[in-house]
Amino acid sequence: EIVLTQSPGTLSLSPGERATLSCGASQTIVDNYLAWYQQKPGQAPRLLIYGASSRATGIPDRFSGSGSGTDFTLTISRLEPEDFAVYYCQQYGSSPRTFGQGTKVEIK
Amino acid sequence: QVQLQQSGPGLVRPSQTLSLTCAISGDSVSTNSASWNWIRQSPSRGLEWLGRTYYRSKWYDDYAPSVKSRITITPDTSKNLFSLQLNSVTPEDTAMYYCARATTGMGAWGQGTLVTVSS
Repeated sequence: EIVLTQSPGTLSLSPGERATLSCGASQTIVDNYLAWYQQKPGQAPRLLIYGASSRATGIPDRFSGSGSGTDFTLTISRLEPEDFAVYYCQQYGSSPRTFGQGTKVEIK
Repeated sequence: QVQLQQSGPGLVRPSQTLSLTCAISGDSVSTNSASWNWIRQSPSRGLEWLGRTYYRSKWYDDYAPSVKSRITITPDTSKNLFSLQLNSVTPEDTAMYYCARATTGMGAWGQGTLVTVSS
């Protein structure tokens, strides 16, 4: 089973600032099948990025994903008020699918 | 646009079976290009993928080791839905349960069902 470790646990930033979130895998992720999700309180997760770097439909271009192998990054170029939420990475290259423990982006 | 609508009880007694369904609109459970997943979320375990069913000329399923001995996910082609059964539940199975459609990532989710295991 691939273990995903996200860092930091919490990121305290102001609107307009850049957010950089990391996701490390215990093994190489097949074909970089790594996704990022955003979750707000009381809502289901929303897919932001798939295949490590492709934006899902309707996702603003301030969200970008990068990385390969075992190290991946989600970048939010300029935080908007609606971006304060919890972010999860997930690998779908092998079974069982696994999620990271999440990074909370909070308002400073 | 794919939409998933979950249904099922919010309270299950210990040792009983947890049963949830996920009705699909905007796609077919028999599609060759997606899988149909169940995920749960709790403060202690975070987001935990439970398993999936999918059709690729025949039906397949795939389960997380943590629940493999207790879980069944089945499609219902006549009603275009898929179901989760989790046997012999304990309070550790208390969580928000989600269904989701996966192609490249899980792009459509159900609204979630909070299931409490308690006597």
